[in-house]
Parts: sequence; structure tokens; C-alpha cells
Amino acid sequence: SAVISQKPSRDICQRGTSLTIQCQVDSQVTMMFWYRQQPGQSLTLIATANQGSEATYESGFVIDKFPISRPNLTFSTLTVSNLSPEDSSIYLCSVGEGPTYEQYFGPGTRLTVT
Amino acid sequence: GQNIDQPTEMTATEGAIVQINCTYQTSGFNGLFWYQQHAGEAPTFLSYNVLDGLEEKGRFSSFLSRSKGYSYLLLKELQMKDSASYLCAVREDQAGTALIFGKGTTLSVSS
Repeated sequence: SAVISQKPSRDICQRGTSLTIQCQVDSQVTMMFWYRQQPGQSLTLIATANQGSEATYESGFVIDKFPISRPNLTFSTLTVSNLSPEDSSIYLCSVGEGPTYEQYFGPGTRLTVT
Repeated sequence: GQNIDQPTEMTATEGAIVQINCTYQTSGFNGLFWYQQHAGEAPTFLSYNVLDGLEEKGRFSSFLSRSKGYSYLLLKELQMKDSASYLCAVREDQAGTALIFGKGTTLSVSS
């Protein structure tokens, strides 16, 4: 399976600032996904990031708040803008591969907003 | 709408067998996945079902009934390390698209 790394692994940010999370994959993948996991909750899809096109956002998530870049087939960034305490969460990137396109996840970025 | 239901918590003892159920109502269906997530870690892929029936992989098995919108994950010979959250997820669209996750079942295994 693909090896996925994320930076930073964790961060503490002040209200009103932004955090950019990087996701690097060791192989070329068509689709990358960004999920959020709030404390004690399951995973919620934020958006699907396709190389060469605009990201597709799920209901409740907007580009102004969660801008995404996908400059090539191995890399993507997610920015969480204008941070509020409600954005405190774990953010995970994932890719789909294998015969069944099961998804594999990066280690996650734990964001705390103060 | 989309709805994936799992029990919130389950407990079991070492060496036992536990079955975690998942029911789903989605607009489309192209596979059901089970993931294991230990506290503070990312989810790891356990199993995949797209056709009705049982898929066995070592101590873990997963079952699917598409007509009933139902799946279960069966864990045999439980070990302490199996204490984790188990997530049921459905893919609605074609291969390579995103998954919809249930809220997860926290399994506690005691000695």
C-alpha cells in the first residue's frame, strides 16, 4: 500500500490564524481525500482533491474556509483558514488504491485552536 | 439521505468471539469497508465486501447482505490488542471515490 506522510503531525494555533497541512504520497494517485475527525467522532469527508482540477467539497465545507491545492499526483495541501476553537480536530488525508480501491490514511494532523 | 449505524460500544473478554453489526442506507452502493482505529492513530483497512457473503481474513471475517443493507465484522480469539474503534464505511460511487463512515464501535477487550 501507499506510504502517506503528513506535516505537521500536530500544531497549536491561535484563533483567527490559518494552518496549512501537507500530504505526501510515495506513489502517483489520481484521487486524494481530506477528512476531519472531531474528538470522539468518526471521519467526515471534507473534499476530494483531483490533480489539475478544483477540489470537490462536501456539504457544509467551503473553499474559502478549507482551500485545497493539488499541484501533482503525489502531493496535496489543505489549509484551514480563520481558525476558531471549533476547528480543533484531527485532519487526515487518504488515497484510494489497490484492487478494491480501499482507502489508506496518513497519520493525521492534530490541530488545537486556542 | 445517508445513514450508517453501528453500536457505540461493546465489551468482550480475551479469547471470545464478538460480532459488530452495521446497517446502512445510502443512495448508491459500491462496496462496504471495515477499518480498525486505535486511539491516537489513523484508521487501518481490515476488509472489503461488495458481493453478498462472508469474507474471511485470519481472525477477522466480514459479512454482507446487500438486500438487507447489513454487514457485520466478526472477530475471533480476541486479544487485548483488539481493543480499538471499528469503523464501517460505504462507498456509494465508482471505485476510487470517497467513503462514508459510520460513527464507529469502540470495543474493549478485558482479560
